[in-house]
Amino acid sequence: SQQGEEDPQALSIQEGENATMNCSYKTSINNLQWYRQNSGRGLVHLILIRSNEREKHSGRLRVTLDTSKKSSSLLITASRAADTASYFCATDRRSGGGADGLTFGKGTHLIIQP
Amino acid sequence: DGGITQSPKYLFRKEGQNVTLSCEQNLNHDAMYWYRQDPGQGLRLIYYSQIVNDFQKGDIAEGYSVSREKKESFPLTVTSAQKNPTAFYLCASSARSDQPQHFGDGTRLSIL
Repeated sequence: SQQGEEDPQALSIQEGENATMNCSYKTSINNLQWYRQNSGRGLVHLILIRSNEREKHSGRLRVTLDTSKKSSSLLITASRAADTASYFCATDRRSGGGADGLTFGKGTHLIIQP
Repeated sequence: DGGITQSPKYLFRKEGQNVTLSCEQNLNHDAMYWYRQDPGQGLRLIYYSQIVNDFQKGDIAEGYSVSREKKESFPLTVTSAQKNPTAFYLCASSARSDQPQHFGDGTRLSIL
């Protein structure tokens, strides 16, 4: 079953603007990860945030985690055309009572207009 | 360069045929995973392996089989029992199950 649900499903913004994507999940987690997927390619890991962390930064990326609301957000600042991709949140299955591996949402498709 | 190599990039299966997708990693990772991705969907876990000679079913293992005879290799066989095999298949590995996963570039399987 899908643990994470991203919102919105699709997002189109102008280059230079900020992009915010949200993820909600259902069970308790040990960590939450964000991945990027360019069309027809594999996923690339962006950032991992643990359940005892509230915010994490990596370059132009900022991830927040609110375990009380079971939600996370990914902010991409000063967007570039190369940021056009699908973005997925993923939670570890083990903390949700499952075994190993990750549970992914359906993703947010981000389009950056030049 | 360390990474994960999946082959072939495109694969076609005839009715009643088994096909095997290759996944090789040189990252010295213990854990390896197979996911299936359908259009506009997230990834669903097929099988995973935490150590050589051991593997476990994921959410959608029916119609698939795997082996883990070497640390570097985790091939996936799509059997004729899998009635809807058309999808994008992704292999991943991680040092531990709670660590980020590294993905290959996928194999796109279609039915002739």
